[in-house]
Amino acid sequence: DVKVTQSSRYLVKRTGEKVFLECVQDMDHENMFWYRQDPGLGLRLIYFSYDVKMKEKGDIPEGYSVSREKKERFSLILESASTNQTSMYLCASRRTGPFVTEAFFGQGTRLTVV
Amino acid sequence: GEDVEQSLFLSVREGDSSVINCTYTDSSSTYLYWYKQEPGAGLQLLTYIFSNMDMKQDQRLTVLLNKKDKHLSLRIADTQTGDSAIYFCAESMSTSYGKLTFGQGTILTVHP
Repeated sequence: DVKVTQSSRYLVKRTGEKVFLECVQDMDHENMFWYRQDPGLGLRLIYFSYDVKMKEKGDIPEGYSVSREKKERFSLILESASTNQTSMYLCASRRTGPFVTEAFFGQGTRLTVV
Repeated sequence: GEDVEQSLFLSVREGDSSVINCTYTDSSSTYLYWYKQEPGAGLQLLTYIFSNMDMKQDQRLTVLLNKKDKHLSLRIADTQTGDSAIYFCAESMSTSYGKLTFGQGTILTVHP
């Protein structure tokens, strides 16, 4: 059974803290993604990575950074957490291909910044 | 840039058909998808359609694509209470490293 695992389901952090969200996939996928999900806004892409040590900004990268040191692991970093980063964060992975390939999602991390 | 729009809410009675609509702006979209999110879970792929197709049927699901109007719909026949979830429309291009652009999501509520 394919799996994308996010390290925490729920996190509560203080304003100004550095926050790490971890994601691991066991499918040997090249591409990994971090989205945030907010009611009425759907999923918005923060960053994605198409290979180890490679990253591209998505639509809302401000206030975030990422790290991909190993193919299976993609970390999202909030350098200095703020209350407007309170959200649900979803990690996904997907194989590269000329044809359609399914994106697999983790369960999500609900982050509250107080 | 890419933009995908959906209505936010849909309420139907059990046994009726549900139709969830989506519009997109990027005419170079290659693939269009429907994902389902159940409470407390991540997203699961329901079905997809290539941009050179008009229709795809998969058991209770029918996807219609109108390329001229950039309109995508998902019809669920004989809707059940277990179909209550958030449904997301998404698009991608073959050259985009698999990056998906999502709509806002439609909350489907099925009443007994």
